[in-house]
Amino acid sequence: GAVVSQHPSWVICKSGTSVKIECRSLDFQATTMFWYRQFPKQSLMLMATSNEGSKATYEQGVEKDKFLINHASLTLSTLTVTSAHPEDSSFYICSAPDRGIYEQYFGPGTRLTVT
Amino acid sequence: AQSVTQLDSHVSVSEGTPVLLRCNYSSSYSPSLFWYVQHPNKGLQLLLKYTSAATLVKGINGFEAEFKKSETSFHLTKPSAHMSDAAEYFCVVSGTPKLKNSGGSNYKLTFGKGTLLTVNP
Repeated sequence: GAVVSQHPSWVICKSGTSVKIECRSLDFQATTMFWYRQFPKQSLMLMATSNEGSKATYEQGVEKDKFLINHASLTLSTLTVTSAHPEDSSFYICSAPDRGIYEQYFGPGTRLTVT
Repeated sequence: AQSVTQLDSHVSVSEGTPVLLRCNYSSSYSPSLFWYVQHPNKGLQLLLKYTSAATLVKGINGFEAEFKKSETSFHLTKPSAHMSDAAEYFCVVSGTPKLKNSGGSNYKLTFGKGTLLTVNP
C-alpha cells in the first residue's frame, strides 16, 4: 500500500520557539492532506485540511495563526507550530487520501514535547 | 454531518476468547466505515473498511465487521483474541467522495473516541 512519512518522529522544544513537522506521500500524489492532534489516551481530532496550492481549511477552534500549514507540492505538507507552549505538547498525525482506491494513509506521527 | 459512537471505552478479554468492539454511526450520506488499530506511541493501521460493497467485511489479523444499515452499526469482531491484539481501536466514518466538485473535504474522517482492548493471559 501507499506510504506516508512524517519528520521528525519526535521533537522537544522550548516554550516560545517554533517547530515544523513535515508530512510526505512517498509513492502517490496527494492534493489534500489532513492534520490531526491526539492527546494522551484520547482520540484523534482533526485540526485542518491542507490543500495543495491553496489555503488550508481549519476546524473550528483551531488557531490558524498558531498552526501554519503549507502544502507546497503534491507530496509535501508542513505544519508549523508557532510560539509553542507546553499545552501544545501532543501527538500530531497527518493523513493523505489515495483517491484512486478511496483509502486514507496515515503517517507514523510526531511526538511534540514543549518544555 | 457525521458522527461515530464507540459504545465501550475499555474491553477486557482473555486470550483465546472472542472479541466484540461496538460502533454506531450517523451520516448524511452513504457512509464509508473503517476500523483502525493503534499500538502505543504508534501511528494508525487500517484493519478493514466498508465502502458499499459486501456488508460483511474481512480484514487483517482475523478481524471482521458487519455493516448493518438498519441498526446503523459496524461492530468489530474476532473469534479468538491474541495477546498482540491489545491496543486502541478506532471506528471511523468518512463522507463519500462520489459527490462531484466535492474536492478533498469529503475524505474528512470522523473518529470515535476509541476502545482500549486489553487481552489477559
